[in-house]
Amino acid sequence: DAGITQSPRYKITETGRQVTLMCHQTWSHSYMFWYRQDLGHGLRLIYYSAAADITDKGEVPDGYVVSRSKTENFPLTLESATRSQTSVYFCASSEWTNQETQYFGPGTRLLVL
Amino acid sequence: GDSVTQMEGPVTLSEEAFLTINCTYTATGYPSLFWYVQYPGEGLQLLLKATKADDKGSNKGFEATYRKETTSFHLEKGSVQVSDSAVYFCALRISSGSARQLTFGSGTQLTVLP
Repeated sequence: DAGITQSPRYKITETGRQVTLMCHQTWSHSYMFWYRQDLGHGLRLIYYSAAADITDKGEVPDGYVVSRSKTENFPLTLESATRSQTSVYFCASSEWTNQETQYFGPGTRLLVL
Repeated sequence: GDSVTQMEGPVTLSEEAFLTINCTYTATGYPSLFWYVQYPGEGLQLLLKATKADDKGSNKGFEATYRKETTSFHLEKGSVQVSDSAVYFCALRISSGSARQLTFGSGTQLTVLP
């Protein structure tokens, strides 16, 4: 499918487990982003990537790890999940030539018990 | 740091009512301003944007004007429909430096009743 996809859409895990959320885009956009959405906070940037093998921290990076070995994929890993990481996670991408507009995936709803 | 403040919701309106959702910002430099919309169960979509002072962004009957003097970017629509029910996010982006990130407000839930 064309566009930006995320998997899984829903995930339940336990405290201390490692979880990886996947993000895939078919546009070959240079920039990719991971946000978390929490009530009262809107969206907060976790990590972003300007190109393959280039990543940087956003506003709330602690407890998360990212990688970008291929332009189209940008997985987000919670190395040891905590209850405070219960959230909805959105992946987004944007073109190098039009960074004004970000395109969002449908989100992953994560519950950490 | 840069920040966006939106009016708190939820907002409930009847169909064909006038909508205003307030948004003010604090930023160093000259930001671009955006409204994104999130329909139930979906990711965010860009609704409209304005890149400089006095610009008006418009789309799907929604409008917002970039007011530098009041640091505001209020969203308006003259006659809302049930299909406009969604969460609306105001956002800004500073076009300088290497971190060209969006800073979002907390979102305003809009429900339109038939």
